[in-house]
Amino acid sequence: GENVEQHPSTLSVQEGDSAVIKCTYSDSASNYFPWYKQELGKRPQLIIDIRSNVGEKKDQRIAVTLNKTAKHFSLHITETQPEDSAVYFCAASGANLQGGSEKLVFGKGMKLTVNP
Amino acid sequence: DGGITQSPKYLFRKEGQNVTLSCEQNLNHDAMYWYRQDPGQGLRLIYYSQIVNDFQKGDIAEGYSVSREKKESFPLTVTSAQKNPTAFYLCASSMWTGPPLHFGNGTRLTVT
Repeated sequence: GENVEQHPSTLSVQEGDSAVIKCTYSDSASNYFPWYKQELGKRPQLIIDIRSNVGEKKDQRIAVTLNKTAKHFSLHITETQPEDSAVYFCAASGANLQGGSEKLVFGKGMKLTVNP
Repeated sequence: DGGITQSPKYLFRKEGQNVTLSCEQNLNHDAMYWYRQDPGQGLRLIYYSQIVNDFQKGDIAEGYSVSREKKESFPLTVTSAQKNPTAFYLCASSMWTGPPLHFGNGTRLTVT
């Protein structure tokens, strides 16, 4: 089955710096890669996602890149702000033979701290 | 909030008791999921269901049971066989075709 590795597990940056979170996946059939942000005690919320037919996607200060050959994808946050402090999870899933979806497999998460 | 309601937010039980966590969604989603979250462990899949009256075990199903009698509801029972039940439990749902997943606000279960 799919295995998703995420690193680093923690990252501390100064406000205004950029942050990069990297994930690798094992199943070359995976075709959907979302990123979730979870603030303390709250539910994970989708912040951006990318499908395997796209190499890069951007939404304001966040961007995701996908390298299918190397089986890794990354989240980039520019001009970080204190409210970006949270745990970020990457995930991967594919499609099953019946046309539905395979289950999402999550990385272990990365705690980002943005210091003012 | 977000169309998925988990209740209660906090739950306390004595060891040896079964406890059922509620999850209801009004998003008309076909698929529903239960995840367990422990510090440093990420989200681990317990059970999932893609249609009514059918469900599959996830990666850590031992000690848990579910039912899916209605499309809107996917309750999770934590049985006394679950060795370490204290955790944050998240319910999620999606269309049958797949993600994105929408999460509920979670239930924090403490067993003493």
